[in-house]
Amino acid sequence: QQPVQSPQAVILREGEDAVINCSSSKALYSVHWYRQKHGEAPVFLMILLKGGEQKGHEKISASFNEKKQQSSLYLTASQLSYSGTYFCGTVGGQSGTYKYIFGTGTRLKVLA
Amino acid sequence: DTEVTQTPKHLVMGMTNKKSLKCEQHMGHRAMYWYKQKAKKPPELMFVYSYEKLSINESVPSRFSPECPNSSLLNLHLHALQPEDSALYLCASSFSATNTGELFFGEGSRLTVL
Repeated sequence: QQPVQSPQAVILREGEDAVINCSSSKALYSVHWYRQKHGEAPVFLMILLKGGEQKGHEKISASFNEKKQQSSLYLTASQLSYSGTYFCGTVGGQSGTYKYIFGTGTRLKVLA
Repeated sequence: DTEVTQTPKHLVMGMTNKKSLKCEQHMGHRAMYWYKQKAKKPPELMFVYSYEKLSINESVPSRFSPECPNSSLLNLHLHALQPEDSALYLCASSFSATNTGELFFGEGSRLTVL
């Protein structure tokens, strides 16, 4: 039930691009992306609410393919501050209460 | 105020102790959550409170007892824990548990069970 992310880890040089994928075995109604730096709480990046929706946040953008039950996070021209662990989060549940379930995580390290 | 405040930041307890973790938010959010996070793992949902009522319990052992005294406060009472319960406990809130809004996380309480 937990979404699977790939790759598990990636190392980049500053200025390089990266793509993080999130795949679910269950139907996705929305996808969230969070970044967690070491020793800190997860921080919200963006929500994608509709199939095919794309969103951007500075040089970080994401897409959501509802049919394939997948989402991808694109980091462009990476900066040192992008280092951390990225989690996708999917939302589902019954009786109108949503359960936020986090994906397996992708550790990203950006080197100078 | 867009903060979720958790206390204590660090807690060390023995297996026979009783302790509590506290979480507070003043954003008017009506949904509050407890997550457990082990090192290098994603946060794992434990409980969801919606409008101060327990809405979801993810089959958490009874040695963890949540409480929501009012819409701003969330407690997690701990009793007879095991060493494997050592983890970072994250509290989060969202506007509502019935829509897919952003989760706001506290800094977490790092628990060590001896």
